[in-house]
Amino acid sequence: SSVLTQPPSVSVAPGQTAKITCGGSNIASERVHWYQRKSGQAPLLVLYDDTDRPSGIPERFSGSNSGNAATLTISRVEAGDEADYFCQVWDNESYHVVFGGGTKLTVL
Amino acid sequence: QEQLVESGGGVVQPGRSLRLSCEASGFTFSDYFMHWVRQAPGKGLEWLTTISDDGDIKYYADSVKGRFAVSRDISRNTLYLQMNSLRLDDTALYYCARRGEGSGGDFDYWGQGTFVTVSS
Repeated sequence: SSVLTQPPSVSVAPGQTAKITCGGSNIASERVHWYQRKSGQAPLLVLYDDTDRPSGIPERFSGSNSGNAATLTISRVEAGDEADYFCQVWDNESYHVVFGGGTKLTVL
Repeated sequence: QEQLVESGGGVVQPGRSLRLSCEASGFTFSDYFMHWVRQAPGKGLEWLTTISDDGDIKYYADSVKGRFAVSRDISRNTLYLQMNSLRLDDTALYYCARRGEGSGGDFDYWGQGTFVTVSS
């Protein structure tokens, strides 16, 4: 089954670009989804199928998936983007869902 | 507007049972696969189980297989999680979530969660 590795933390200044990676063996063969979880709130889907944004998610959120790493990119970071971010895949071999360990995004 | 509301959490002793509920509204419940996910204090998200739209197919994480059981009542628009033989490490915030429209098994709507504390 898949194991997804995320950096525990990423820090970025307002207005800069944040990149959060999700590593996994040949993850490019999977469709990766990303969730934002702010303190005290339910997780929010911000990207699905590697690059697609649900309705209401700003264009500042984008994604890529290649080789052994998927990346969530947040452009022009705002204070309100401060949250934990989790990647997720559906493992077609084990029929299990796998989440990455999460990355805490701090806006300096 | 799509909404999921969990209930049934609380404090329970190790070895005892608890049933969580998740009431769905704002969408056709019977059209969607549903999931349970939890987050223990200071930990990440952990998928627990998935149930198909008609309830016939169920998948479980190894950590809960044989102890937890997922079910759904279409007439009540409600998803359930029966938790048996609870352990201290089952203490967590439990979320229900809906399978999204993407082709890769995303979760597009989540409830606010219900907290379960397993303690003697």
